[in-house]
Amino acid sequence: NAGVTQTPKFQVLKTGQSMTLQCAQDMNHEYMSWYRQDPGMGLRLIHYSVGAGITDQGEVPNGYNVSRSTTEDFPLRLLSAAPSQTSVYFCASSYSNRRTGGLNTEAFFGQGTRLTVV
Amino acid sequence: GDSVTQMEGPVTLSEEAFLTINCTYTATGYPSLFWYVQYPGEGLQLLLKATKADDKGSNKGFEATYRKETTSFHLEKGSVQVSDSAVYFCALSDPSLIKAAGNKLTFGGGTRVLVKP
Repeated sequence: NAGVTQTPKFQVLKTGQSMTLQCAQDMNHEYMSWYRQDPGMGLRLIHYSVGAGITDQGEVPNGYNVSRSTTEDFPLRLLSAAPSQTSVYFCASSYSNRRTGGLNTEAFFGQGTRLTVV
Repeated sequence: GDSVTQMEGPVTLSEEAFLTINCTYTATGYPSLFWYVQYPGEGLQLLLKATKADDKGSNKGFEATYRKETTSFHLEKGSVQVSDSAVYFCALSDPSLIKAAGNKLTFGGGTRVLVKP
């Protein structure tokens, strides 16, 4: 079972460069999200999607773009990298548990991408 | 908005010691509560969950009880092992928002636990 796959695992960028972090899931989950993890701050939501073609901003969206052309893929684009974007990025997916009205919906996380912007 | 507060670490324990990690929350709705664990170099995994008041979630010897009156969801384990060394995150989601906003999770800051032999 592949689950949620993120690539790359590590990346170093220079300030001003752009790049795309890839995320793919093979569980046919409707919901996908991107979080960033910073020391002492837990995980903060960047962008999320409730289905193909539908995306919205989370808590910290500035400097990032997303798209959801298929159910499986949810790439995160850094438009012009800044040192403040140095972080560990996690992609997550989950399903709509209609039987419980969403109460027991577990999120499945990828292994993360460690990004350093110099 | 919703928020989660958990005790700061690191927490250093000896093997077989009792572990408690405090977690309190504020939420406008009636949230579902979760504990996630992150082992070194890995992503987050669901450890346990609870969806209504007085529910007890349990897994791998860990337990947490949903206390609505104190808005808390403290994590406990009676006898820790070296393999329990990890970062633990308390989190909540609001099921009433799931159709509009997906499964958005609000996380606490994480507590690093180190268990020594």
